[in-house]
Amino acid sequence: EVQLVESGGGLVQPGGSLRLSCAASGLTFNMYSMSWVRQAPGKGLEWVSGISGSGGETSYGDSAKGRFTISRDNSKNTLYLQMNSLRADDTAVYYCAKGRRNNRDGMDVWGQGTTVTVSS
Amino acid sequence: QSALTQPASVSGSPGQSITISCTGTSSDIGGYNYVSWYQQHPGKAPKLMIYDVSNRPSGVSNRFSGSKSGSTASLTVSGLQAEDEADYYCTSYTSISTLVFGGGTKLTVL
Repeated sequence: EVQLVESGGGLVQPGGSLRLSCAASGLTFNMYSMSWVRQAPGKGLEWVSGISGSGGETSYGDSAKGRFTISRDNSKNTLYLQMNSLRADDTAVYYCAKGRRNNRDGMDVWGQGTTVTVSS
Repeated sequence: QSALTQPASVSGSPGQSITISCTGTSSDIGGYNYVSWYQQHPGKAPKLMIYDVSNRPSGVSNRFSGSKSGSTASLTVSGLQAEDEADYYCTSYTSISTLVFGGGTKLTVL
């Protein structure tokens, strides 16, 4: 069974940084694209960033460009999201999700989410 | 990249069918057959229901179907059941190699 487990969320002050991790198991990790998707309290889903299986290609949503960096360590089956210059509107549950093959054709496995709260 | 447009809410009685629309542009839905639909129950992670416009992952009920015409995609749920009550989100690949979600639709089973 494929499992994704996020960690690293918490309370951070505006302007601060946080690194989220997503540990994957039950799959050949480097074969699949991965994404980070977030959901602010009471709001809809927002795609944050995606990365190819090799890690050689990355893409970002408008809210993440210039502040967030997605990466992966295929030797550790782990996906990361480095978040800098955090703002109050980054407060959300952050999910990692596995692409069916790549991120374009659907995300078929999701983690349980990790909560990020940006507040002073 | 602007969010795709979905109705805020739809409703139907058990056994009926409903359709949720998802409208984009030629730079996303209209340009690619990479539309997916997700179901999300309160407090839970999203679940993939449809990928590549009209394909169902294994294990998803055949009461769920997807289609696309131009820049508008649709999700149809037939034979509504109480357990279908949830939020539904569409997403599409875009011309700048990103993904964009719709604002979400709350489905109420009356």
